[in-house]
Amino acid sequence: NAGVTQTPKFRVLKTGQSMTLLCAQDMNHEYMYWYRQDPGMGLRLIHYSVGEGTTAKGEVPDGYNVSRLKKQNFLLGLESAAPSQTSVYFCASSYDGFSPAYEQYFGPGTRLTVT
Amino acid sequence: QKEVEQDPGPLSVPEGAIVSLNCTYSNSAFQYFMWYRQYSRKGPELLMYTYSSGNKEDGRFTAQVDKSSKYISLFIRDSQPSDSATYLCAMSPSMEYGNKLVFGAGTILRVKS
Repeated sequence: NAGVTQTPKFRVLKTGQSMTLLCAQDMNHEYMYWYRQDPGMGLRLIHYSVGEGTTAKGEVPDGYNVSRLKKQNFLLGLESAAPSQTSVYFCASSYDGFSPAYEQYFGPGTRLTVT
Repeated sequence: QKEVEQDPGPLSVPEGAIVSLNCTYSNSAFQYFMWYRQYSRKGPELLMYTYSSGNKEDGRFTAQVDKSSKYISLFIRDSQPSDSATYLCAMSPSMEYGNKLVFGAGTILRVKS
């Protein structure tokens, strides 16, 4: 099992550019999440999904969009990047119907810099 | 005011020391309490889980929850250099439907050999 993988690992964008971050999980998890991690702020939830075709807003959704067309994939889009979106982005997944829902499995992160 | 407060450290201790990491919270609805460990440039991984109040022990690690004080702790006995990481507390009012967690800012721990 690869677990949770994220693509790309690093990216530098110019202000106003767009990009998509891809998250994939092979654990048959129902729930998937996108977080951003900034110094002194901890992990903040951007968007999450409780199943294929469903998404919902988290704590800091502005400037981001998501899609979950397949159960194993969760995409995070930045339509017009801003320097305030410079951060480390983590994807996570949880709950296959048997494992505890409180255990979220995290990917290795994507380091995004917006200049 | 943040829902979950955690001192970011860094906390530097000698090998073998007992380490105490703490979080306070304001939402009395929180029932599920977790500690995640994050090594440098890696994603967090679940370390300990506690439901409601009380203690839970797992090897060198003990998690405590005091709901009356809205205070949770993680103790590490006989700390090792391999324990050097960022420790994030996380909590949730419910494990149903999406299981959204609220994380603390994380405490950086350095164990010196």
